[in-house]
Amino acid sequence: QSALTQPRSVSGSPGQSVTISCTGTSIDIGNYNYVSWYQQHPGKAPQVMIYDVNKRPSGVPDRFSGSKSGNAASLTISGLQAEDEADYYCCSYAGRNPWVFGVGTKLTVL
Amino acid sequence: EVQLVESGGGLVQPGGSLRLSCAVSGFTFSSYWMHWVRQVPGKGLVSVSRLNIDGSMTIYADSVKGRFTISRDNAKNTLYLQMNSLRVDDTAFYYCAGVRDGNFYVSYWGQGTLVTVSS
Repeated sequence: QSALTQPRSVSGSPGQSVTISCTGTSIDIGNYNYVSWYQQHPGKAPQVMIYDVNKRPSGVPDRFSGSKSGNAASLTISGLQAEDEADYYCCSYAGRNPWVFGVGTKLTVL
Repeated sequence: EVQLVESGGGLVQPGGSLRLSCAVSGFTFSSYWMHWVRQVPGKGLVSVSRLNIDGSMTIYADSVKGRFTISRDNAKNTLYLQMNSLRVDDTAFYYCAGVRDGNFYVSYWGQGTLVTVSS
C-alpha cells in the first residue's frame, strides 16, 4: 500500500502547458483503467478533474486531460490559468486493496 | 444540494477512541460506496477504509486494520468510523467521500473533521 509517485512540484506560466506524472505498479495503475485525478485548493476538499484515466466530469474545462501507459499515468493542463494553482493528486483503484493516492504535486502558476 | 457533513473529531489521548459520523444529503446514499480518506495537514491523501452499498464488504488500510471499523446506516443516510486504540500518527483531517456504485472515482467529498491524538 505504497503511495503513487508524483513530482512534489511543477510550475508554468499562464498559457503554457504542464504535465504531472504518476507512477504506480502492476497492482494498481498497471492493472486497472481506473486512474482519477483530484484538484485541491488550500483549506478545501478535493474535487475530481479526470476519471477512468482520461474522462472529464461535466464542468471541468477541456484544458485538463489524462493518459496512461503501463504502470504510469499523467495529467496535462494546457493553457494554464491562475486558478489552476493547487495541489493535484492521482489515485488508482487497486482491487480488494485500499485505493492508492499519489503523494501530491503542488502546481505553481508563475 | 449535495452535502456530506462530518462530525465527531477532536482531541483525544493516545489509546483513546473516537467515533466519526458523516451525514449525507442530496444524493441517493444507498447507491454509493462510502470511503474515509485522511490527510495529515500539509501532506497527501490516504485511503483509510471503504464499504459497499449495503455495508457487507469493508476494506481497510493496513495501518488501521483491527483498530478502526467503518459502518453505515442507510436509513439515516449516515456513515460512521469507529476509531479505537488511537495513535499519534492517526492525527489528520478525516474526509468522508462518496463513490457511485460501479464508478471508481469520488463524486462527493465532505469538508473534513480534524482528529488530533496527543497527550
